[in-house]
Amino acid sequence: GQNIDQPTEMTATEGAIVQINCTYQTSGFNGLFWYQQHAGEAPTFLSYNVLDGLEEKGRFSSFLSRSKGYSYLLLKELQMKDSASYLCAVRDSNYQLIWGAGTKLIIKP
Amino acid sequence: ETGVTQTPRHLVMGMTNKKSLKCEQHLGHNAMYWYKQSAKKPLELMFVYNFKEQTENNSVPSRFSPECPNSSHLFLHLHTLQPEDSALYLCASSPLTGTGDEKLFFGSGTQLSVL
Repeated sequence: GQNIDQPTEMTATEGAIVQINCTYQTSGFNGLFWYQQHAGEAPTFLSYNVLDGLEEKGRFSSFLSRSKGYSYLLLKELQMKDSASYLCAVRDSNYQLIWGAGTKLIIKP
Repeated sequence: ETGVTQTPRHLVMGMTNKKSLKCEQHLGHNAMYWYKQSAKKPLELMFVYNFKEQTENNSVPSRFSPECPNSSHLFLHLHTLQPEDSALYLCASSPLTGTGDEKLFFGSGTQLSVL
């Protein structure tokens, strides 16, 4: 079966750096997405990786290793507003999106 | 604001009620989706519409009935639901470019409670 694994919950301190990991086993690979979802709000797109390597976008970076079936989302200079759930999703060979259960990130002062 | 509007935001209904969820997007997208989000579970794709035609129904019980009258509007009609159907129902839209990198634009969802 197809599977996306990510930690259920993580805690970090304001101003610090946190890395949220995502591992996947899917039927083929056509890209990996990260979305951010604040409580009670819509998930919003953060990043898309289809080639190996690091994509940097301001305080957020996303890394992909296709050979290892692994990605991470790196958040720098954490702010209280970064408290949210982070969803990892992979597009498989049928162009279906396979979702992880999300990682709830708690930022403490 | 993502450009996708869902109403109502909250809904409480009994198992014998009939209600409808509404979704509207004016982003010019040609694909619309219904997802179910339960606590600590992955998003579950329910229905997909491309150019107003239903292209996917992921074994969803018939008590959920989608309707897509045009490419900007999507409805989910609910009847005789079960308590286990309580969840956040998310609507999303996306362009159809066929490149695989199409990102989804989600609404804020309808939090449904079935009593």
